[in-house]
Amino acid sequence: ETGVTQTPRHLVMGMTNKKSLKCEQHLGHNAMYWYKQSAKKPLELMFVYSLEERVENNSVPSRFSPECPNSSHLFLHLHTLQPEDSALYLCASSQDGLAGVYEQFFGPGTRLTVL
Amino acid sequence: QQQVKQSPQSLIVQKGGISIINCAYENTAFDYFPWYQQFPGKGPALLIAIRPDVSEKKEGRFTISFNKSAKQFSLHIMDSQPGDSATYFCAASIGGTYKYIFGTGTRLKVLA
Repeated sequence: ETGVTQTPRHLVMGMTNKKSLKCEQHLGHNAMYWYKQSAKKPLELMFVYSLEERVENNSVPSRFSPECPNSSHLFLHLHTLQPEDSALYLCASSQDGLAGVYEQFFGPGTRLTVL
Repeated sequence: QQQVKQSPQSLIVQKGGISIINCAYENTAFDYFPWYQQFPGKGPALLIAIRPDVSEKKEGRFTISFNKSAKQFSLHIMDSQPGDSATYFCAASIGGTYKYIFGTGTRLKVLA
């Protein structure tokens, strides 16, 4: 595997289900991100982990719960979602450094549908 | 002030033509402006990026033009090809931080 991988690629869940999205980066990066991509809207940054510590949480509802057990893996735990949460969820990684953070490498995303 | 406004929303260009996508921003603290390309079923991938100390950056058929005084930047795709058909996102960030502010995207279709 190379780059950033995400599983599953597609997920359909009911409003009362609990599911998790998984992201793995094979680039040796030290920062990972979750984004939400909805049609005709800018990508929305949800969570950022740098060196396995959460550094950003953009007022995301508590029904989304991230977990970063190590610098290569990132999870997004989902529970009691709403239909408006249906979207493409993208994971990204980058290399933090003293010179700043530049290129973010994205995974292919998980297409989530909430019924 | 944190918005990046992107236009047009969609664009159809003939093969061999020039595709132009524009973005405008308000926050003068932005100092890194990347363009991302996204094909269906794939995540966005960095195409080209520019800093405000230069007015133009070219990589192959792709050129970013940057107008600091107007707070605008644009992507030009010369000799557009059907393989360029994708969604393009501009973005801006401050000091190379992880906080990218993305535009809403432009869906480009290049006709064969």
